[in-house]
Amino acid sequence: DTGVSQNPRHKITKRGQNVTFRCDPISEHNRLYWYRQTLGQGPEFLTYFQNEAQLEKSRLLSDRFSAERPKGSFSTLEIQRTEQGDSAMYLCASSLERGAQGYEQYFGPGTRLTVT
Amino acid sequence: GNSVTQMEGPVTLSEEAFLTINCTYTATGYPSLFWYVQYPGEGLQLLLKATKADDKGSNKGFEATYRKETTSFHLEKGSVQVSDSAVYFCALGVQGNNDMRFGAGTRLTVKP
Repeated sequence: DTGVSQNPRHKITKRGQNVTFRCDPISEHNRLYWYRQTLGQGPEFLTYFQNEAQLEKSRLLSDRFSAERPKGSFSTLEIQRTEQGDSAMYLCASSLERGAQGYEQYFGPGTRLTVT
Repeated sequence: GNSVTQMEGPVTLSEEAFLTINCTYTATGYPSLFWYVQYPGEGLQLLLKATKADDKGSNKGFEATYRKETTSFHLEKGSVQVSDSAVYFCALGVQGNNDMRFGAGTRLTVKP
């Protein structure tokens, strides 16, 4: 296993279209996170899963956004009716919850979304 | 709430110069602190971490010490290389919170 992978790496779509991104975490990791990163900013938390359960959503995650993690493995992030403001890099990360401090998140290469 | 403030960039240095990127934090609880690096076109990579006060994280010649008294975690390297050119992010994680808080990033350019 070589790390977290994301597909596609780049997506260009027209305003109003739906898009779906996929994230494959490190296989033994039970936690999976989605972040959004805009130019010149650090990643901002969107949502996270513990196994297949989505346990937290940021207020940044509008009702046009939905994320799933069926079977606790890969995850998908769907954006419906895309807007130009959705243009960003969408990052996925995974971690192994060990119940102690020192956990770190491992990031994928990201999916860059451009909404025209 | 939990937050991280890091030195704004961009930072431009000559090869072999000394690097410091400042990072301070605000947190409830007992945070772990991280530095991530992002090379052009790539995702974030963990550079180093520290989990408790006075811990020093180090990797690839980079170091950062967790200073509780000054709530800081400054990144340093004694002699930078062109290959260190990247964006560096300071981050904070608190057990029981499920999101990691990132600074805005500092772009470093090292010139030969």
